[in-house]
Amino acid sequence: DTGVSQDPRHKITKRGQNVTFRCDPISEHNRLYWYRQTLGQGPEFLTYFQNEAQLEKSRLLSDRFSAERPKGSFSTLEIQRTEQGDSAMYLCASSLRPGKGANVLTFGAGSRLTVL
Amino acid sequence: ELKVEQNPLFLSMQEGKNYTIYCNYSTTSDRLYWYRQDPGKSLESLFVLLSNGAVKQEGRLMASLDTKARLSTLHITAAVHDLSATYFCAVTRNEKLTFGTGTRLTIIP
Repeated sequence: DTGVSQDPRHKITKRGQNVTFRCDPISEHNRLYWYRQTLGQGPEFLTYFQNEAQLEKSRLLSDRFSAERPKGSFSTLEIQRTEQGDSAMYLCASSLRPGKGANVLTFGAGSRLTVL
Repeated sequence: ELKVEQNPLFLSMQEGKNYTIYCNYSTTSDRLYWYRQDPGKSLESLFVLLSNGAVKQEGRLMASLDTKARLSTLHITAAVHDLSATYFCAVTRNEKLTFGTGTRLTIIP
């Protein structure tokens, strides 16, 4: 297993266009998270899945954002009608469902979005 | 709303010196994490602290947790250049992580 993979690593788009990011988690992990990180800030929670079920979505998240995990494996994050304020690093992380253990999130390398 | 604060936000240290990064959080939590991030890279897990009084050490880094004070510390001993990075603490609540703003650490010769 090569860890959490994200694609593309970099995306430059014009304002108003739609973009989609893909995340492939560690195969045995059933939890998948999306975070957004802007320069000089810590990652900000967007949404997470338990298998294919989306369990929570941040209240701060615009309706232009949608995420799916159709078969409980890979996930996509789509941003419609992009705005310059969407420019950020989009991080995906995966973990085992928390039990009594540490439930460490393993992060991917991220997808950097630049909206012109 | 859970808030996580770190201080200092920026830290320049000389090699060989000791220093401590502080992480305060506003509500009870069951897990506290420390992550490292190098420029342009993703986050690497360093420590997970699960209970009051927990202490974890790896090389020149040592993390501790005081759940009563809602405080965690990351202590750096005899800093070396390789430790230059941004360090984040993160706290779980309702099964998701809330991150602090990070401490950007620069080790200078």
